[in-house]
Amino acid sequence: QSALTQPPSVSGSPGQSVTISCTGTSSDVGGYDRVSWYQQPPGTAPKLMIHDVSNRPSGVPDRFSGSKSGNTASLTISGLQAEDEADYYCSSYTSSNSYVFGPGTKVTVL
Amino acid sequence: QVQLQESGPGLVKPSETLSLTCTVSGFSISSGYYWGWIRQPPGKGLEWIGSIYHSGSTYSNPSLKSRLTISLDTSKNQFSLKVTSVTAADTAVYYCTREGTTERFDYWGQGTLVSVSS
Repeated sequence: QSALTQPPSVSGSPGQSVTISCTGTSSDVGGYDRVSWYQQPPGTAPKLMIHDVSNRPSGVPDRFSGSKSGNTASLTISGLQAEDEADYYCSSYTSSNSYVFGPGTKVTVL
Repeated sequence: QVQLQESGPGLVKPSETLSLTCTVSGFSISSGYYWGWIRQPPGKGLEWIGSIYHSGSTYSNPSLKSRLTISLDTSKNQFSLKVTSVTAADTAVYYCTREGTTERFDYWGQGTLVSVSS
């Protein structure tokens, strides 16, 4: 199956909000509320930030929020902080009983 | 606290078999959940490889399925990955993961780099 689509990069100043989009199809993002987002600082393992479109695991700041409309999911980081600089990946369960990831978006804090 | 740790050779020759083991601590893998593998080629994105349920049933990426074996060793609280007939395209950091209750990867190992080269 094809990978999901994400912008290569987004940037913002401290305190601002940034939004990362994740576009798939009706066979993945649009068909299931099983979209997750992962944060990966350089040289580290990914960390789950959002699951089931909009749910935050314990310990994830409420500055991170998720949503979905049709075949596109979004991750918003409000009140951007220097520690948020990382690569962010979206993932979706698919109709093929498998998972697909996006190519990743690099978030830069200016 | 659930912790996962990958182990295995860091270098594999082309056409040979890549073998990795994930040791889980803080949770008994026979108690539930899916346990699986995700890889990341250097400088690239994530690719789901496959997963195994605590009962032993598996499911995997269709593009890799013919070369994959994922297995459990509940006595050692470990699960393993084998990929046959490797090529340079299989060079990646391999992560072992736990799948949470609703199709998410909630725990990750630190990752281990496997290079395929003669």
